Amino acid sequence: DAEITQSPRHKITETGRQVTLACHQTWNHNNMFWYRQDLGHGLRLIHYSYGVQDTNKGEVSDGYSVSRSNTEDLPLTLESAASSQTSVYFCASSESRTSDTQYFGPGTRLTVL
Amino acid sequence: AQSVSQHNHHVILSEAASLELGCNYSYGGTVNLFWYVQYPGQHLQLLLKYFSGDPLVKGIKGFEAEFIKSKFSFNLRKPSVQWSDTAEYFCAVNARASYDKVIFGPGTSLSVIP
Repeated sequence: DAEITQSPRHKITETGRQVTLACHQTWNHNNMFWYRQDLGHGLRLIHYSYGVQDTNKGEVSDGYSVSRSNTEDLPLTLESAASSQTSVYFCASSESRTSDTQYFGPGTRLTVL
Repeated sequence: AQSVSQHNHHVILSEAASLELGCNYSYGGTVNLFWYVQYPGQHLQLLLKYFSGDPLVKGIKGFEAEFIKSKFSFNLRKPSVQWSDTAEYFCAVNARASYDKVIFGPGTSLSVIP
């Protein structure tokens, strides 16, 4: 069955370190998204991609970057981790650009000390 | 800019009680509407969605939602909840002019007491 996976599932890091969260989908979807989930804010869009070599900023993109070198993967990098980036991060994918259902990964819980 | 509000942060119900979770959005154009659910320890998954047609949409597990365009609302309902419905519920909106950018509400945590 097609799926979307994230790794690691839990990560503890220190302020100032670079961290990369992996997202891999086997749906063969063109569209991929990164969200962060914080209490009281729901899910907020960090970055998204509509295809290989395409990346776009979401509403909370500062301090994060993504790259899309193939269809399956959209890694999220925190250039210099800050305590404010402690959160649960979800990756998602969807098939079409006419806003189809998004399929979510299991999430990565990141703690920045 | 689009935004989504959900009326309740946390709802506690007894089993067999009826459920209605409120969702309102701010956008004047044509929208797609979603309810997602996150069961404890699980992925977010789609509960139901509205794109067009009948404004009363039926989803999985006995849930339904009604789109009322004049009220910019998309409330989620279930006539009789079960303990297994305990979860976080997210309303989401996509403005059709912005392709796949979906805006999520802050979520409502539902606790069902056996």
